[in-house]
Amino acid sequence: KAGVTQTPRYLIKTRGQQVTLSCSPISGHRSVSWYQQTPGQGLQFLFEYFSETQRNKGNFPGRFSGRQFSNSRSEMNVSTLELGDSALYLCASSLAGTDEKLFFGSGTQLSVL
Amino acid sequence: GESVGLHLPTLSVQEGDNSIINCAYSNSASDYFIWYKQESGKGPQFIIDIRSNMDKRQGQRVTVLLNKTVKHLSLQIAATQPGDSAVYFCAENRYSGGGADGLTFGKGTHLIIQP
Repeated sequence: KAGVTQTPRYLIKTRGQQVTLSCSPISGHRSVSWYQQTPGQGLQFLFEYFSETQRNKGNFPGRFSGRQFSNSRSEMNVSTLELGDSALYLCASSLAGTDEKLFFGSGTQLSVL
Repeated sequence: GESVGLHLPTLSVQEGDNSIINCAYSNSASDYFIWYKQESGKGPQFIIDIRSNMDKRQGQRVTVLLNKTVKHLSLQIAATQPGDSAVYFCAENRYSGGGADGLTFGKGTHLIIQP
C-alpha cells in the first residue's frame, strides 16, 4: 500500500507570493490533516479535513487554507507569504480522524525569501 | 498555554542499553497519546499509541507507560540499536466542544546512540 505522498518536496517562494501544496493520502483514508514544523515552534496543527469538510482548525491566520477533494486528496494554500512561513509542511492521513494513528508524508520544505 | 512537553531535548545511550524517553502533558481531558519517531529528512513515523483507559501498552521492543495521576507519559525502547537514532515526539489528542482537535506535539527528544 502506498504511503502518504506530498508534492512538491521543496519549494522556494518570495514574500507576498502564494503557494499551494498537495497531499495524497493512503488509499481508503478519509481524514487528512496538515501540520507545520519549525525549529522554534515544533509541530503545530493547521487543520483537518474529512469528507471534503474542514472539521478542525488550529490557531493559524486566515492566510492558511485548505481543501479536500472527493477522492480524499487535499491541498493547502498559503497566501501573501511571510518570512515566518518558512517551514516543513506535513500532511497526515488516517481512516477517520485525529484521535487515531496518523500516517505522515515526508513533507514539503517551503523556504520564503 | 497547554502543551505537551518533554523533559530532555537530547538523550545519549549506549547501543544495547534500554532507553527511556519521558513526556509530561498538562490537559487532563486528553484521552489519546501517541509516540512518533522522526529521522532526518522524513516525516514522523508512528511507534506506539495508548488510550487513557490503559496504563501500559507494549509493542515490538517498545513500551509506553501512562500515568494519569501525574500526567506523565514515557516511551521505553529495549536493546537500543543504531537505527533507533532519531527525534522522538510525544503527542496528545484533546477534545474540545467540537470533537477531537488535532494532535498537540511535544518539542521532541533527540536520541543519540553511542557505539
